[in-house]
Parts: sequence; structure tokens; C-alpha cells
Amino acid sequence: EIVLTQSPGSLSLSPGERATLSCRASQSVSQTYFAWLQQKPGQAPRLLIYGTSYRATGIPDRFSGSGSGTDFTLTISRLEPEDFAVYYCQQYSSSPRTFGQGTTVESK
Amino acid sequence: QVQLVQSGAEVKNPGASVTVSCKASGYTFSDYGLHWVRQAPGQRLEWMALIKPGDGNTVYSQKFQDRVTITRDTSASTVHMELSRLTPEDTAVYYCARHGPVSMNDYWGQGTLVTVSS
Repeated sequence: EIVLTQSPGSLSLSPGERATLSCRASQSVSQTYFAWLQQKPGQAPRLLIYGTSYRATGIPDRFSGSGSGTDFTLTISRLEPEDFAVYYCQQYSSSPRTFGQGTTVESK
Repeated sequence: QVQLVQSGAEVKNPGASVTVSCKASGYTFSDYGLHWVRQAPGQRLEWMALIKPGDGNTVYSQKFQDRVTITRDTSASTVHMELSRLTPEDTAVYYCARHGPVSMNDYWGQGTLVTVSS
């Protein structure tokens, strides 16, 4: 199965700052089948980005995704208070679909 | 609007079975698959299985295929996930998630905590 490794494990930033999160796959993943999800404490994951760079319904444009092959990036251009959360990458290019271990974005 | 509403928390003894339900609304139930994903404490999300409500076909993770059974009730727009031979390592929050138009998991249930303890 494809193993996804996220870095860094955590980010300490202030509102208004830019956040850059990385996800590396153990083998190549089709751009069509790569996503980012956000999870807040006590809540279910929420889809942010699918197909590497397409924002899900209702997701603000400060969230953007890029990447190809084995390296993918989620960028939050200007952090808002509600963006402090755990972010997971996910591949569904091959079965089983797998998830990264998560990056925590916390308020400095 | 699309909603996935799951059944409530469960506490089970080791060796028992548990069934978690996921009721879908806001879309045509038979048109989209439903996945089951779990999250154990401090662990990453883990995919378990997929059911296609239209024809009932299922796909299971190798890790769980001898212990998990997914069924659907089309009249109730509900999918059921049964996990048998529970151990404390099965303590987790179990989520259902829709298989979206381009295969992504676009909507998620609220999660069901299953605790396995003697």
C-alpha cells in the first residue's frame, strides 16, 4: 500500500501568516486522486481539496493545493482563527486508500 | 443538503461484535458508494471498506476482510458495518464517508465511538 508521510508534524503560526504543509508518497500518485482534509477536535474530517488542486464546496480560496508524483503541498495563504486544526493528506489512486499521519497547525 | 448520520456510541466486551449504522439523506442513495474509515486514539485515519448501494457490491481492506461485513438497506437509505471478534485495539471512532463524483470522500458522518473493554 502507498504510505503517506506528512511534514512537519506540527506548525506554530500566528493568524495572518502563511502555512505550507507537505505530503510525500512512497510511490507515485495520480494527481486526480489526491486530497487534503481538515479535522478539528471532536469533529469528523472535512474535505478541503480534491484532485490535488480543486477546492471542495464552500472552501475559501486561501486554501490551495499543488503537486504531482510523490510530492504534494497544501498552502493556507493567510491563516484565520478557524484554520487551526489537524490536516491530513489522502490518496485514493490505489487501493487501499491511505492517509498521512497529520500535521497540526496551532496558534502561536 | 447531503447528510450522513451515524448511530450512537457503543461499549463492547472483547470477542463481541458491533454494528454501526450510517443513514444517508440529501442525495440519491444508490448513486454513490459509502466507505468506512476508522481513527484509533493517536493513530492516522484507516480505510476499512466500501459498499456500492446500487448493487450491494463490497470491497474490503485485507486487514479487516475476515472480520467486517458491510450491508445496505436501500428502503432506509442506510448502510451497516459489522465488526466481529473485537479486541481493545478496535477502540476507535468509526466514520462513514461518501464516495464522491470523482472518487473523493466528499461528505463524512459525525463518527461513532466504539470502546472495547472488559
